Formats: sequence, structure tokens, C-alpha cells
Amino acid sequence: RKEVEQDPGPFNVPEGATVAFNCTYSNSASQSFFWYRQDCRKEPKLLMSVYSSGNEDGRFTAQLNRASQYISLLIRDSKLSDSATYLCVVNWSGGSYIPTFGRGTSLIVHP
Amino acid sequence: DGGITQSPKYLFRKEGQNVTLSCEQNLNHDAMYWYRQDPGQGLRLIYYSQIVNDFQKGDIAEGYSVSREKKESFPLTVTSAQKNPTAFYLCASSTQTDNYEQYFGPGTRLTVT
Repeated sequence: RKEVEQDPGPFNVPEGATVAFNCTYSNSASQSFFWYRQDCRKEPKLLMSVYSSGNEDGRFTAQLNRASQYISLLIRDSKLSDSATYLCVVNWSGGSYIPTFGRGTSLIVHP
Repeated sequence: DGGITQSPKYLFRKEGQNVTLSCEQNLNHDAMYWYRQDPGQGLRLIYYSQIVNDFQKGDIAEGYSVSREKKESFPLTVTSAQKNPTAFYLCASSTQTDNYEQYFGPGTRLTVT
């Protein structure tokens, strides 16, 4: 079975802290990777795609390590509003691109 | 505005009744998906469709049925055969080119008593 694993947390950090999440995947044929944010009782929303060269969007940085089969998300200068569950998503091609979601990592940012 | 809509937001049914959840998108996406999420759990794929008039079972299709008669619509029926239907149901769509990123509707919270 193709698996996507995340540490469920919760990660409990103070405002202003830097926090990093990792996500490992089992299928080396994986083609595309994403981080989603899900607030309590809401739908997941796309946070950012993850590219081989790494990419940054403001305080958020995503990295992909194909050799070790993991992706990471770094959040700098955490805000209270960053409190949410962060879902890792991996797509692979076997004739079609079917996404597999990790179970999510819970982040709580406190004052 | 382009997006995905799901209705209703909350749904209550008695055990033994079939119920159909609506999902509509105007993003011109070819692929559509249904997921189920239970409290504290990740998303589990029920069914997906990559083209009109075709759909495939996901990981937990038993007790569910779908149709894809139009590109914009992918309704999900929760049948009485589904043993634990109470859950948060999420519909998503994506392109079948480029990065395949998914966009989600707001979800339907189904409670069966």
C-alpha cells in the first residue's frame, strides 16, 4: 500500500517561533507534492505546492527530498492564526494521478 | 467566481435511509473526488472520476455510489449499506494536467441516527 506518514503532533509553540513538519512517502514514483491547511471543521485549503528546488512563500518554505522520500514545511515567525492542521499530499502516476493524504500535523501557536 | 459548492452543509437522516450529497464545480476541472473525514482522522478516498461517465472506487467505496453524467456534477449517495455513515464528506476537483492540485468544497456534515 502506498503510504504518506506525518507526525500528528500537536506541536505547541509560542508566537514568533520557527516550526518544521516532515512528511514521508513510500512510493518512489510519486510525482507531485503539496501542503494543505485545514482549520477545525472546515475544508482543506491549498497552502503551497512543493517543488524539487524548494520554494518559499512569505514565512513558509517547502522542501522536497526525493532521495530520502520526504517533504518538509517550515513556518517562520509563527502567528496565532497559523494554528491549524497541516496536511501533506502526494500524487503518483500509475496511469492516473491519485492523491494520497497524510493524516495531518496539528499546530497550536500560543501567545 | 469559480469554485466548488456542496449542499447541504448539515444533513440529518434516520438509519436505513439513502441520502444524496451534492457537489458542483465551475472550474472546468476534469477530475472530481469524494472523501470522508472522521474526527481526528485524515481524508479517505471514497470514489473519484477523471472523465464524464466514468468513475473508480477509492479505498472505502463500500456502501456508497456515485454518478458523473455531467462534467460539473459528481453526486454521492450514501446508502443504507454503509455501516457508519456519520462523518464529514468533502468533494474536490482537479485538473488532469500541470500539477494536479485539488480544490475542495466546504463539505457536508452528515449525521445518521
